[in-house]
Amino acid sequence: EVQLVESGGGLVQPGGSLRLSCAASGFTFNSHEMNWVRQAPGKGLQWISYISSSGSTIYYADSVKGRFTISRDNVKNSLYLQMNSLRAEDTAIYYCATQGGYSYGYSSVEWGQGTLVTVSS
Amino acid sequence: DIQMTQSPSSVSASVGDRVTMTCRASQGINNWLAWYQQKPGKAPKLLMFAASSLQRGVPSRFSGSGSGTDFTLTISSLQPEDFATYYCQQANSFPRVTFGGGTKVEIK
Repeated sequence: EVQLVESGGGLVQPGGSLRLSCAASGFTFNSHEMNWVRQAPGKGLQWISYISSSGSTIYYADSVKGRFTISRDNVKNSLYLQMNSLRAEDTAIYYCATQGGYSYGYSSVEWGQGTLVTVSS
Repeated sequence: DIQMTQSPSSVSASVGDRVTMTCRASQGINNWLAWYQQKPGKAPKLLMFAASSLQRGVPSRFSGSGSGTDFTLTISSLQPEDFATYYCQQANSFPRVTFGGGTKVEIK
């Protein structure tokens, strides 16, 4: 069974930093591309970052570029999101999700349960 | 960025009703369209990809159609477990995907 378990969320002051983790199991992590997607309270979904299976290709949404860094450790079967210079508008539940390929229409197939990040003074 | 617009934003329906919701893209996306279901306090769940392909394990009462800019998700006979919010997502500009604002299906 595929499992994605996010951790590392919490309350942080504006301008602060936080590192999210996503522990993967039940599938071959090192052959899967991954995404981070967030959801502000009561709002819709927003894609924020993508990383290829090897980690060599990375993309960010403009809203987080230069502040957030995605990475992965294929030995530890883990995905990370380093978040710096946090703003109130970064308050959201952060989900990690597997990226489906062509056979899944490039959809996000499996999702973790999410971790809440609250940016407030 | 490709904008995705869902309508209606909410719909009230009864168990057994046929429910249809739409998703419109700001430019053509071929059939690179996915649908997700999200229940309160839970993660999104993939229902449909490539506009009309049902994800494994998803009941056949769900169906999707469309191509280009206009897409629909239909629930043929609404069940109690289907009350949720549904999001569309375009993958034409993968990996920079974008989501619609959601359609909430509520109990009448």
